[in-house]
Amino acid sequence: DAGITQSPRHKVTETGTPVTLRCHQTENHRYMYWYRQDPGHGLRLIHYSYGVKDTDKGEVSDGYSVSRSKTEDFLLTLESATSSQTSVYFCATGQDNTDTQYFGPGTRLTVL
Amino acid sequence: GQSLEQPSEVTAVEGAIVQINCTYQTSGFYGLSWYQQHDGGAPTFLSYNGLDGLEETGRFSSFLSRSDSYGYLLLQELQMKDSASYFCAVRMDSSYKLIFGSGTRLLVRP
Repeated sequence: DAGITQSPRHKVTETGTPVTLRCHQTENHRYMYWYRQDPGHGLRLIHYSYGVKDTDKGEVSDGYSVSRSKTEDFLLTLESATSSQTSVYFCATGQDNTDTQYFGPGTRLTVL
Repeated sequence: GQSLEQPSEVTAVEGAIVQINCTYQTSGFYGLSWYQQHDGGAPTFLSYNGLDGLEETGRFSSFLSRSDSYGYLLLQELQMKDSASYFCAVRMDSSYKLIFGSGTRLLVRP
């Protein structure tokens, strides 16, 4: 395992409130990713980071922003949560020269 | 757009062999990976193919044909613990981003 933790593990919030999910890794991996997983859709990339302060959008980035101020931390922010953002969010890490990604335990987010 | 197609569900008997197929249509291709996910758990890496042919890792093997845009995951000597969802994933470029299929739910029966 790549020593990846996510916090919180579960969160219930109301529509319109801001939410920040945190991913922390202890393996000094260069790449970090945020995915959401919904029934019938597999894993869809929201944003990813290829280094400190270096981020790029994924396929479902609307309504989400990210920040990476340290190698070990990658934050995902929902500025104003909507019910369509109810999902399970996974963080993952990776390294150069390999496609292998290591996943955190996930955060279950419910937006009421 | 980019797409990966895999069957939604497969059922097999304990001790048998099962093959999970994945066909892809992407603008670029660097490699095909397979991940396993048990209910309530996180995806874990199983196998990778960057070149055509078969890669074997214990009871699991993965195959790739780049000319056919096709790959499969082969699970032998099925065990009850193999009941899980299996995802194929493609890396399209040098960015190390992956696109995942929708997953195949494998049910292993006694």
